[in-house]
Amino acid sequence: DQQVKQNSPSLSVQEGRISILNCDYTNSMFDYFLWYKKYPAEGPTFLISISSIKDKNEDGRFTVFLNKSAKHLSLHIVPSQPGDSAVYFCAASASFNAGGTSYGKLTFGQGTILTVHP
Amino acid sequence: NAGVTQTPKFQVLKTGQSMTLQCAQDMNHEYMSWYRQDPGMGLRLIHYSVGAGITDQGEVPNGYNVSRSTTEDFPLRLLSAAPSQTSVYFCASSYSAAFRRNTIYFGEGSWLTVV
Repeated sequence: DQQVKQNSPSLSVQEGRISILNCDYTNSMFDYFLWYKKYPAEGPTFLISISSIKDKNEDGRFTVFLNKSAKHLSLHIVPSQPGDSAVYFCAASASFNAGGTSYGKLTFGQGTILTVHP
Repeated sequence: NAGVTQTPKFQVLKTGQSMTLQCAQDMNHEYMSWYRQDPGMGLRLIHYSVGAGITDQGEVPNGYNVSRSTTEDFPLRLLSAAPSQTSVYFCASSYSAAFRRNTIYFGEGSWLTVV
C-alpha cells in the first residue's frame, strides 16, 4: 500500500512559468514532509520541508503548501529554470519514540520527472 | 552528496551469488539507512541503523542483511541474489533520525543487475 503518492509521473513546463508538483498521503500519523530533488546518476538532495503545524514554507523560488484536511501537499517553483529539470520526490515522516528519543522513518513517493524547457 | 560514499557504483551478479554493497560516511552521523529505487515505486527503505550496534528492518528487508559495527560504515549484504533485487541502491545518513532538525544525505547510488 503506497502511503505517499505522486500521481503525475512527469511534468513539462516552459522556462519562467510556475511548476506545481503534487503529493498525496494516506497516513494521518505523518507529521513532517520533505521534498527531495534528484539528478541522473546522483543521489537525492534535500530541497525543502514543512511541519504539519504549518501550511506553507517558502525558500527562495521554492514554496511547499500543506493541506492537512485533504492530506495533500504541493511544491511550487517560481520561476522555473532549465536547471530545475530533475526527478522530485515527496517524502513523509511519522515520529516515534524509542528510548526517550524521537525518531522518524521517511516514506517516499514514486517521484515526478520535471522538465523545464528553455 | 556530502560525505556518503558507496561502492561499487555498478555491479552485475548472477542469480544465487552473494555480495556486499559498502557505505561509509565521514560526518559522524548516528543514523544510516539503505533504500532501493525501482521504476514507479520511489525510494523504499530496506534497513536502517540509529547507532553502532543497532539495526532494524525497513519496508522491504527480505533478502538483505546489515550490520553496524562502527559509526562510519553500514554495509548491505545480498545473501543470495535474485533478479527481483535488480535496482538502484542508495545509502543515506543523518546526524540523527530526528528528521525535523537534521538533513538526510544520500550517496550517489549503486546500480545492481542480477541476471
